[in-house]
This record gives sequence, C-alpha cells and structure tokens, in this order.
Amino acid sequence: EPEVTQTPSHQVTQMGQEVILRCVPISNHLYFYWYRQILGQKVEFLVSFYNNEISEKSEIFDDQFSVERPDGSNFTLKIRSTKLEDSAMYFCASSEGYTGGSDEQYFGPGTRLTVT
Amino acid sequence: LAKTTQPISMDSYEGQEVNITCSHNNIATNDYITWYQQFPSQGPRFIIQGYKTKVTNEVASLFIPADRKSSTLSLPRVSLSDTAVYYCLRNAGNNRKLIWGLGTSLAVNP
Repeated sequence: EPEVTQTPSHQVTQMGQEVILRCVPISNHLYFYWYRQILGQKVEFLVSFYNNEISEKSEIFDDQFSVERPDGSNFTLKIRSTKLEDSAMYFCASSEGYTGGSDEQYFGPGTRLTVT
Repeated sequence: LAKTTQPISMDSYEGQEVNITCSHNNIATNDYITWYQQFPSQGPRFIIQGYKTKVTNEVASLFIPADRKSSTLSLPRVSLSDTAVYYCLRNAGNNRKLIWGLGTSLAVNP
C-alpha cells in the first residue's frame, strides 16, 4: 500500500537555526499538507499546497515557515529561524484531490523536531 | 475551536464492542464526518467516513442519524492494539483544512 514518508524521524537543532523537514507524498496525489502536534496537544493545520502554490495556511504559518516542491516527488517544510516553541511533531499528509466528497488525507509517520 | 465534541477518554476490555459518540450540532449541509485513529508518536490514520445513515468497512462502522447532529464510531471486538486516540472531524468536501479536537483516548484492557 502506498504511503507518505518523512525524513528525518527526529531532528535536533539549536534555537535560531534553519531546519528543513522532508516528505515524499503518495505519487498520484495532488494536495499536500503540513500539520504539527505539540506534545500532549491537538494536531494543528499549518498549510496546504496544490499546483505548486499554497492553497491555504493557518495563522501559525508565518514568515518563518515556507514550503516547496523542489522536484516531482519531494515536499519540504522550512523553518528559517527556529524557536523553542517550534518543538513538535510535524506531520506531512497528501490527498488525491477528490472533489466528490471529503478528500481523505494520508499522513506520514512524522518528524519530531526538538529545538534546544 | 474544534467543530465536534467527543468524550476525552474511554475504557474497554478485549473482545468488547466500543461505541464512541461525537456531537456536531452545527454540522453544515456539505460536511462529511471523518474518523481518524492515532497511536502515540505516529501520524493519524483514516478509519472511516460518512455523510448519513450507516457506513461499514473492514475496521469499523459509522452511524449517522437523519438529523446528522451526532455520529457514532463502532469498533467491533476490540483488541489491545486498538488502544489509541480517536478523532471525529467534520469538514466540507472542498475544505481540506482539517480542524482537530483532543479526540477520545481509548484504553483497551486485557
């Protein structure tokens, strides 16, 4: 069964450093997403991406964040200058782009980001 | 704010049927109900989705009454491996921004 993959599984970085989290969505999917989950808290939507541009973003997704689809398979989330409060699990997801009902999103295993 | 309300936690025993009810009083005409499962330190996993009446797949059943103000996820004969957090979400077909609540933490005991 096709699955979303993410690398690395765990990233430790110092405050102020840039990090890039990588994802490989399911190959025939058209929509890509990033969510985050701070330990013990809710899953939070960050951004959705379609046709090589952001389709929607949350208030969390400020100028520190950016997303990119650098090639035909990867989808990345960059945090320019990490803060302690960016420590969380970051989940990538993808979906087919089905418009007849609710479009099922498939989630990756996550990257645990620890900012020290 | 999450658009659904569900119990914070539930306890069950192996082999029992578990029913988790979700309240969504202000559901919109275009909204679907979707349930996800999440194990610790893993990404959420889609379980089932429905619009009204009953939907069944190999994992669960979803019951949505005619007024669609609530829904019930039914897990038949749970096992220890069903211990997880279960999320009820509602969103319109063209709205891909999933809004999550805290979910229901289900503990299955031997």
